[in-house]
Amino acid sequence: DTAVSQTPKYLVTQMGNDKSIKCEQNLGHDTMYWYKQDSKKFLKIMFSYNNKELIINETVPNRFSPKSPDKAHLNLHINSLELGDSAVYFCASSQAGLAGVGNTGELFFGEGSRLTVL
Amino acid sequence: AQKITQTQPGMFVQEKEAVTLDCTYDTSDQSYGLFWYKQPSSGEMIFLIYQGSYDEQNATEGRYSLNFQKARKSANLVISASQLGDSAMYFCAMRGINTGGFKTIFGAGTRLFVKA
Repeated sequence: DTAVSQTPKYLVTQMGNDKSIKCEQNLGHDTMYWYKQDSKKFLKIMFSYNNKELIINETVPNRFSPKSPDKAHLNLHINSLELGDSAVYFCASSQAGLAGVGNTGELFFGEGSRLTVL
Repeated sequence: AQKITQTQPGMFVQEKEAVTLDCTYDTSDQSYGLFWYKQPSSGEMIFLIYQGSYDEQNATEGRYSLNFQKARKSANLVISASQLGDSAMYFCAMRGINTGGFKTIFGAGTRLFVKA
């Protein structure tokens, strides 16, 4: 039973189109994230949600709109796709807040969604 | 601002030998956590080890140990008895109190090649 699952795993689309990636976690975590991994493997946080509330928005263009219908789901919609949006997008979850006893706060990642914009 | 630096883009190690992957960090947070993740060529991200900033002992997990030197702001990963399956990208990461623990940042990664 997959802990963090995201769909689709692959998207190939034309510039200017809109696409969505869905993410679900069954770990009971309160916090979910979107990360972007570029072609040089650099991982950059995009958004962080806690209990459906946006906590972190790392100056991501407003073409990217995350949505958390409940704390187990975090979706990412991207409008007007550009070539530079091509990347692997990772969803992740963790226990809320700071690490403490029994909670190291590590991220649990989905398998990634590879977006290719042509 | 927080920053993670991994200065080794690539490392080679002979099978069964130990290897150290370097990581330095910069933060003004009083409390923070340091992590290492592994990304094999298949692409998934695997958590390896955690060190809290107030932990006095270095963390160990099987063949992985974290050499934590707080004054030098370094958190190097040591892999003992390297195996072919250790060939992968390795990322050092940190999250701190000033962002409520809701933001984990990553270094640029080190690609490890294990030779038979």
